[in-house]
Parts: sequence; structure tokens; C-alpha cells
Amino acid sequence: RKEVEQDPGPFNVPEGATVAFNCTYSNSASQSFFWYRQDCRKEPKLLMSVYSSGNEDGRFTAQLNRASQYISLLIRDSKLSDSATYLCVVMNSGGYQKVTFGTGTKLQVIP
Amino acid sequence: DARVTQTPRHKVTEMGQEVTMRCQPILGHNTVFWYRQTMMQGLELLAYFRNRAPLDDSGMPKDRFSAEMPDATLATLKIQPSEPRDSAVYFCASGLVLGGRPWDEKLFFGSGTQLSVL
Repeated sequence: RKEVEQDPGPFNVPEGATVAFNCTYSNSASQSFFWYRQDCRKEPKLLMSVYSSGNEDGRFTAQLNRASQYISLLIRDSKLSDSATYLCVVMNSGGYQKVTFGTGTKLQVIP
Repeated sequence: DARVTQTPRHKVTEMGQEVTMRCQPILGHNTVFWYRQTMMQGLELLAYFRNRAPLDDSGMPKDRFSAEMPDATLATLKIQPSEPRDSAVYFCASGLVLGGRPWDEKLFFGSGTQLSVL
């Protein structure tokens, strides 16, 4: 089983739709969680951190469920510019903070 | 804007040749990562340095890959000899980890090196 798993998609949604992605992780000791966004042929960039209490940034909401070991990203009112691959990132504690990326979920917002 | 700089942006080489990729992390960052990205595997961690010391290179094929940080401003990833299956985008990322605290700093990625081994 992979340490971090995501549905690769693609998710094809119309403009204005709400879309949600999940990401599961296998290490219960995982400590920090993030969503990164990667545009085609570009480097990944941080979209938002994921806090235990959940957090919101404009149209984006991230949630963490430690009991079920998954994090989610909700995008409301999708824009064409949201089209990208969304990468889930999990960081583990221990001797060093191991950083593991999911393979990403591709989102295509359609006019 | 502070940024991670990677060179070269593109590299085309023939099988068997040595390839060296360079990364200049953001000044003041104490962690450096090397990742490889392919369509099939996504982002794979190759090596991880903190304060220039290698902490994890378990994802790196040891027989042909090597990663070093000769100083705090330069990280290198070498492949010798290169093979067609090494064709991928190689990303370097840097970040700041403060001892004893959970990771709460984001990673900054370079633009990547697109490597093609013919």
C-alpha cells in the first residue's frame, strides 16, 4: 500500500461546480498535511496547509480526519483557472520529517 | 522574491553519459530535497538533506545516482551512467525546519530539470 494515495482523476467539472478530492495516508504518526497545486509542466506550489480544525481560504476548504486517516480539499465555484493537478503532501515525525507526495488528482474545469 | 534555482532547465544526453543537475536553495533554508517526477510514478523522493547532511537517500538508485551538498548554497544530483529510464523531470525543493517543532514551513520548488536520455 502506498503511503499517500489519491484518485488520479481526471475530474472534469463545469465552471461554478463544487468539487472535492480525498487523500488517504497510511502512517498514523503523520504530523503535518498540505495541499499543493501543480500546473502543467510547472513546479508544485503550496496551496494550503491542512489543520486539525479544518481551514478555509476563499473558495478552498481543507479538512483532516485523523481517525480515518484522510485529508480532503473542497473547491467551490470552480474557475477555469483552477484546472491543475492537486497534490496531497504528508509529513511524518521521527528522526527527521519525511515528506511524501501523493501522485496527484487532475482537475479540468470546463467552460 | 526568493526562489530555488535549478540548472540546466533542459538536458538531452545519450545513454551512458554523466549528467549533473544543480540546485541553489533559498538563502537561509536548511533542508533540501531532490524529487523525480514521471507520468507513471508521480513525485518520488530521491534524497533529503538537512544542514547539508544527507538524512535519507533510500529512494535513489545507489549504483548510478549520487547527491551532495558541497556547501549551503549548492546541491548536486549526478547520474553516471545515465539510462533512458532516467528520463524525467527532476525537482529540487528547499525549506526551513526549526528543531523540535512540527513542520510548519512550506517547500519551495525550483522549476525543474527536464532530462531526456536517448
